[in-house]
Amino acid sequence: GAVVSQHPSWVICKSGTSVKIECRSLDFQATTMFWYRQFPKQSLMLMATSNEGSKATYEQGVEKDKFLINHASLTLSTLTVTSAHPEDSSFYICSAAGADYGYTFGSGTRLTVV
Amino acid sequence: AQRVTQPEKLLSVFKGAPVELKCNYSYSGSPELFWYVQYSRQRLQLLLRHISRESIKGFTADLNKGETSFHLKKPFAQEEDSAMYYCAPPRTGGYNKLIFGAGTRLAVHP
Repeated sequence: GAVVSQHPSWVICKSGTSVKIECRSLDFQATTMFWYRQFPKQSLMLMATSNEGSKATYEQGVEKDKFLINHASLTLSTLTVTSAHPEDSSFYICSAAGADYGYTFGSGTRLTVV
Repeated sequence: AQRVTQPEKLLSVFKGAPVELKCNYSYSGSPELFWYVQYSRQRLQLLLRHISRESIKGFTADLNKGETSFHLKKPFAQEEDSAMYYCAPPRTGGYNKLIFGAGTRLAVHP
C-alpha cells in the first residue's frame, strides 16, 4: 500500500533557529501534499497545500514566511519552520494524495522549541 | 465546498456496548466518504471508505443520502477502539484539500 515517510519524528531546537521537516511518498507519486498542525487532543488543522512544481497555497492565518513549503519533486515536500519560537511547538503532520482518492499520512513530527 | 460535520466531540461507552459515531455531509452529487482513525501516538490511517463497502475491525458505515449521513457503527465496542475518528470527503481533483472536522474521540471503558 501507499506509504508516506516523515522525518524527523521529533526535534528540539533553540528559539530563533530554523527546522526542516521532510515528507516523502515512498511508493507512489504525490502531485499534492498537505501539511497539518495538530495541538494536543485537537483535530488536524490544515496549514497549506503543496503542489509539485508550484507555490504552496496557505490557509488563512498561516504565515507564509514563517512556514516555508517546498515541493520540488513528485515524492518530496518539505516544511521549514523559520525563526522558530516556543509557540511554534506542535505536532506537524504531512499527507499525500494518492491515485485512489484517499490520503496517506506521515507519522508526524513533534517540534519543541526551547 | 464539500464539508462534513461530526456533532460529537466525545463519545464515551463501556466495553461491549454498541457504538455510533455520527457524520453528516453537506454537498450534492455522488458523495464518497472516508473514515480515518488516529490511535494514541500513531499516525492517522484510513479506516474504511464508502465505496468499498468493507467492514474493518468490526466497523461499518452506510451512506444515507436521505439523511446525508455516513455514520460509523460497531455493534460491540472494544477497549482498543479508543481513538480519534475523523469523517472526511474525498479528493476530487489534484488540488482539492482535505479539511477535517473536529473529529470524535471514542473512549471505551472496561
